[in-house]
Amino acid sequence: AQKITQTQPGMFVQEKEAVTLDCTYDTSDQSYGLFWYKQPSSGEMIFLIYQGSYDEQNATEGRYSLNFQKARKSANLVISASQLGDSAMYFCAMKEPRTDKLIFGTGTRLQVFP
Amino acid sequence: DGGITQSPKYLFRKEGQNVTLSCEQNLNHDAMYWYRQDPGQGLRLIYYSQIVNDFQKGDIAEGYSVSREKKESFPLTVTSAQKNPTAFYLCASSIAGQAYLFEAFFGQGTRLTVV
Repeated sequence: AQKITQTQPGMFVQEKEAVTLDCTYDTSDQSYGLFWYKQPSSGEMIFLIYQGSYDEQNATEGRYSLNFQKARKSANLVISASQLGDSAMYFCAMKEPRTDKLIFGTGTRLQVFP
Repeated sequence: DGGITQSPKYLFRKEGQNVTLSCEQNLNHDAMYWYRQDPGQGLRLIYYSQIVNDFQKGDIAEGYSVSREKKESFPLTVTSAQKNPTAFYLCASSIAGQAYLFEAFFGQGTRLTVV
């Protein structure tokens, strides 16, 4: 069965520094998609970045990059040059191709301080 | 503009009553999802649907029911059998088929409170 694990309930980072949010996953499928979402206090879910299981390059989107290590089943999110507006909950998610089932980890609350 | 609309934004329910949360999308997506989020917690999957007239239970389906009569709509009913329904409910949709390639889009959520 699919499983997503985020072991960091909370993280602190100083403005302008980089931070890594951890995500490990478990699946028996060879094809799958990994996603990161940001949830500010307003509750909306904002898509950040995607990594496909067959992608050989790590995904990047602006200040976000995904450190994908397939053999270790990890998909860590790296945020460079943190900003105060990055303070939010961050969720890692995985989708199976056969069922379209989309599951989430428990999230990491990131707080950026000046 | 394309998107997902959840209504209402806030909902109050008396104990023992059923209540239905609305979710409508105009993105032409086949797959739709319902999640429950408790304060400070992650998203737990209630039900999902890959196609009209078909849906699957997620991890916490007990006390909930859904229907998928139209591609655009995926309403969630919180029944009186749900023992602790107070939570934030999120609806999402996505392209199906090769869906693992595509992100899901979310509505703004419905905050349900049992009084």
